[in-house]
Amino acid sequence: DVKVTQSSRYLVKRTGEKVFLECVQDMDHENMFWYRQDPGLGLRLIYFSYDVKMKEKGDIPEGYSVSREKKERFSLILESASTNQTSMYLCASSLASGERYEQYFGPGTRLTVT
Amino acid sequence: AQSVTQPDIHITVSEGASLELRCNYSYGATPYLFWYVQSPGQGLQLLLKYFSGDTLVQGIKGFEAEFKRSQSSFNLRKPSVHWSDAAEYFCATGPLTGGGNKLTFGTGTQLKVEL
Repeated sequence: DVKVTQSSRYLVKRTGEKVFLECVQDMDHENMFWYRQDPGLGLRLIYFSYDVKMKEKGDIPEGYSVSREKKERFSLILESASTNQTSMYLCASSLASGERYEQYFGPGTRLTVT
Repeated sequence: AQSVTQPDIHITVSEGASLELRCNYSYGATPYLFWYVQSPGQGLQLLLKYFSGDTLVQGIKGFEAEFKRSQSSFNLRKPSVHWSDAAEYFCATGPLTGGGNKLTFGTGTQLKVEL
């Protein structure tokens, strides 16, 4: 089974802090994604990566950056956390070919910025 | 741009009753279509998917969905709901070609099951 893990289930940070959310997948997937989930808004794509050191902006990249130094690891960085970034963050991965759109999700990190 | 609409924000059904969750997509060509389920505090789990072929697809946990091109719909159904089905359900679509393998998600339908 594909396993996607996220470093923290719950995280509380202060406004202005730099925050790192880590995601690791164990199935050698080429693609990795970071989403933000808010009530009534569904999942919104922040960034995705289709290869090591490659990244592409999603629908809401403002205030976020990402890093992918190794194939299995994809990090989301909040450069200066703000209260409007309080949310559930979901990481996902998928293959780049074959049934490439099927995404596998981690359990999520609920981030609270105070 | 493609979009997905889930018109029902909340649905309540009695245990043992049948269930249908609606999903409409907006896309010119036949897209890839997915249903995911999210239990409280968890990530998303794939229930089923449609790429091509038979328009009635079977998934896990007794769920099925039917692709209807004429109605641009991909509704999720279950003949008899169990209390453990209470969760949030998301419909998603991805383009047949290009698009960087990205999915577009609906806003979700929260299912409550009354015992």
